[in-house]
Amino acid sequence: GNSVTQMEGPVTLSEEAFLTINCTYTATGYPSLFWYVQYPGEGLQLLLKATKADDKGSNKGFEATYRKETTSFHLEKGSVQVSDSAVYFCALDYNTDKLIFGTGTRLQVFP
Amino acid sequence: NAGVTQTPKFQVLKTGQSMTLQCAQDMNHNSMYWYRQDPGMGLRLIYYSASEGTTDKGEVPNGYNVSRLNKREFSLRLESAAPSQTSVYFCASSEAGGAHQPQHFGDGTRLSIL
Repeated sequence: GNSVTQMEGPVTLSEEAFLTINCTYTATGYPSLFWYVQYPGEGLQLLLKATKADDKGSNKGFEATYRKETTSFHLEKGSVQVSDSAVYFCALDYNTDKLIFGTGTRLQVFP
Repeated sequence: NAGVTQTPKFQVLKTGQSMTLQCAQDMNHNSMYWYRQDPGMGLRLIYYSASEGTTDKGEVPNGYNVSRLNKREFSLRLESAAPSQTSVYFCASSEAGGAHQPQHFGDGTRLSIL
């Protein structure tokens, strides 16, 4: 079936460090891929998305590239800030208006 | 700019009690969703509604019922609460049109069943 696998956290970094959070997926067809972010005490917010192979989604310094050959959508940021501390969810939409989420990866950034 | 509004934010129930969680969106979205979030399990879809008057089961519907009251409102009901339903519940909405549409989330309802 369709599924999303994320690296387990927490990921702990110092401010200005490089961030990678791995996400791989299993799906039939050509899903759309998303990264959502959840700040403490809040609901999820869309961070970025990509709808076809080789698309790069970007927002707020974060980037992710839809890699069909490796079925991956890894999230990266060149220089993290304390304010980036949150839980990050990778998700796919297999063309049915419903999302399948990964388990989430907690990022903690220290000054 | 309210977006998706959920009430209440917190609730404690005893086993066997009933409760309705309310959700309303002001973005004129056709699709609405209820999820539960549990540690280590991400978000799991309980029910969704593709349009006013329609509802369908998601991954974990047992023990829940929903009602799409109108285009704006989508409520989730626990008829006889169980400790296994202790969770954080999120409502979301999206535009119609199937794939590629991002979902907009409320801030959640934290529910504890004793």
